[in-house]
Amino acid sequence: DTGVSQNPRHKITKRGQNVTFRCDPISEHNRLYWYRQTLGQGPEFLTYFQNEAQLEKSRLLSDRFSAERPKGSFSTLEIQRTEQGDSAMYLCASSSQRLVSGNTIYFGEGSWLTVV
Amino acid sequence: ELKVEQNPLFLSMQEGKNYTIYCNYSTTSDRLYWYRQDPGKSLESLFVLLSNGAVKQEGRLMASLDTKARLSTLHITAAVHDLSATYFCAVVQGAQKLVFGQGTRLTINP
Repeated sequence: DTGVSQNPRHKITKRGQNVTFRCDPISEHNRLYWYRQTLGQGPEFLTYFQNEAQLEKSRLLSDRFSAERPKGSFSTLEIQRTEQGDSAMYLCASSSQRLVSGNTIYFGEGSWLTVV
Repeated sequence: ELKVEQNPLFLSMQEGKNYTIYCNYSTTSDRLYWYRQDPGKSLESLFVLLSNGAVKQEGRLMASLDTKARLSTLHITAAVHDLSATYFCAVVQGAQKLVFGQGTRLTINP
C-alpha cells in the first residue's frame, strides 16, 4: 500500500493554457474522488468514479474540466483554457467501499495549480 | 443543500490546556469524518463516526457525534505543540460525497 499518488505536485501555467493532473489511487480501491481546495477553505467535491464509471459530477466542474478513469485504475483531471480562478490544490482520494458504510477515504498529497 | 459549519475558525491556545472544536451540519447524516491538515500538506484521517452517540479517542483527541443535534465535537486534552494544524470535519452526503467545514486553524503555543 503506497498511498494515493498525484503528479505533478506543482504546476504554474499561463492563463489560457491546458493542464492535466494524474492520480494513482491505492491499489484495489475501486472508488476515486477529485476535490478542490483553495487557500483557507475546506475541500470541495468535484467528481467521483466507481471503477471506470463517472457517477457524480459537481456543478463546480464546468465544461472546461474533464476527468477520466479509462481502465478503472489511474485517473486524469484536465482543465482547458485555465483561468486565474482555477488556482487551487486539486486533491485526489480513493476508498474501497462506500463512504456511507463508514470506510476511510484516503487523500493524496495534492497537485497545486497556479495560473498566472 | 448540506452546510457544515465549524467554530471557532481560529484557535490559539497554550500547551496543557483543554479545548473543544464544534462542527454543526444542516441536514440529517449519521456519518462524519474528522481530518487533520498540516500547512501545504494533504488530509490525514483522524476519526470516522458512524452513529449517534459515537465516541472515539486517539491520544489527546476525542471526537463525538450527536446526530439528533447535528453536532460533532473534537476535544483536545492537555494540548501539545505537535497538535498545531488545521482540523476539518466532513459530513457524508448521499453515498459518496464529503461536505467539509471551513476548518479550524489551531495554534498551540509553548
